[in-house]
Amino acid sequence: DARVTQTPRDKVTEMGQEVTMRCQPILGHNTVFWYRQTMMQGLELLAYFRNRAPLDDSGMPKDRFSAEMPDATLATLKIQPSEPRDSAVYFCASGLFPGGLAGPRGTDTQYFGPGTRLTVL
Amino acid sequence: EDQVTQSPEALRLQEGESSSLNCSYTVSGLRGLFWYRQDPGKGPEFLFTLYSAGEEKEKERLKATLTKKESFLHITAPKPEDSATYLCAVQAAGRRALTFGSGTRLQVQP
Repeated sequence: DARVTQTPRDKVTEMGQEVTMRCQPILGHNTVFWYRQTMMQGLELLAYFRNRAPLDDSGMPKDRFSAEMPDATLATLKIQPSEPRDSAVYFCASGLFPGGLAGPRGTDTQYFGPGTRLTVL
Repeated sequence: EDQVTQSPEALRLQEGESSSLNCSYTVSGLRGLFWYRQDPGKGPEFLFTLYSAGEEKEKERLKATLTKKESFLHITAPKPEDSATYLCAVQAAGRRALTFGSGTRLQVQP
């Protein structure tokens, strides 16, 4: 049963500390997304990668957030320094997207991981 | 800017009481409209993708329909295990990322 995995599942930290969240996409998926979910804003896109290259990080506060994909099986989202307003659930999702945006219908589904609940005190 | 509005925000049904959830959208060229289910403490779980006005998809007690401006998720004879938040999202032509609505929290009472 192929699934997206995320670690840690819960993280409590103090303001100013560095936080690193990790995601293992479904094997063979070439596109990875990072979303953030809060009660106020709902689910928002932070960034996404295709074939490990960043394509869009316009939703990410660049002064403190960074996203990387060191290899095809690992994506990371780092916050340094963390602030209380960063408290949220962070989701990773992956998708196949064969042929890019011109791929056949039904191939652009995003599958979500269980999320990392971040609390910054 | 792509926008997705879901209504109602919350819905309480008795077991067996059918109803519909609404998702209104504005998007610069629709590639696909997605429905997800989210249980507390979990990630969204994919349900359906709709691509063209008039398209319908069914899965157990759920049926999703699509028009040029909105989508409906019909729930027929719901059971308590259908209780969850249902999320609607759109994918614009030329983009991979999704724009989500705020969701409808459904509670089905036995």
